Amino acid sequence: AQSVTQLGSHVSVSEGALVLLRCNYSSSVPPYLFWYVQYPNQGLQLLLKYTSAATLVKGINGFEAEFKKSETSFHLTKPSAHMSDAAEYFCAVSASNAGNMLTFGGGTRLMVKP
Amino acid sequence: GAGVSQSPRYKVAKRGQDVALRCDPISGHVSLFWYQQALGQGPEFLTYFQNEAQLDKSGLPSDRFFAERPEGSVSTLKIQRTQQEDSAVYLCASSLGGASGTQYFGPGTRLTVL
Repeated sequence: AQSVTQLGSHVSVSEGALVLLRCNYSSSVPPYLFWYVQYPNQGLQLLLKYTSAATLVKGINGFEAEFKKSETSFHLTKPSAHMSDAAEYFCAVSASNAGNMLTFGGGTRLMVKP
Repeated sequence: GAGVSQSPRYKVAKRGQDVALRCDPISGHVSLFWYQQALGQGPEFLTYFQNEAQLDKSGLPSDRFFAERPEGSVSTLKIQRTQQEDSAVYLCASSLGGASGTQYFGPGTRLTVL
């Protein structure tokens, strides 16, 4: 079985400040890890994914995430927040021994203050 | 190119009614997934198709839920005798396949059961 925990259901940062959204996973086999963003009344859009290549993954809109096996973490960061980054962010895991489905965390709502 | 489309975008049903939700995946994508997203939560897996074969339906909450993909393209999620707890956003995603494959999500159908 696999699971994802996102610490902090709400995160608030000032515009220009560092964004850090936390994700920890549990998986019995090497996982594939994803970050998705969801804007109001829209579907999920892929930000980035880890598929066992480089542990530091760069995604769209200046986001990146680092896979740390020893900490079972895949935290999402962005050096400087922009107002347009305000959205809901979901971390997800899939594993080759569990079909191809994604298991999602509960999500973190990012608020950006001017 | 065209993304994943879903219809209707919004559906209001009276308790006890049957509903059918449609998903048009990206052309050529062999894998198709349905997820249920309750308000304020992350999406939860319902079922998965590879072409026309339903390979995993472990997430369907009851036998009132039924999904099909008869020609390996368009899929329909049917809910019989809807109940208030079925109110949620139903998300469809498609991918080229594999646990590491990116799933592309549609905008979802928001179902409200009165």
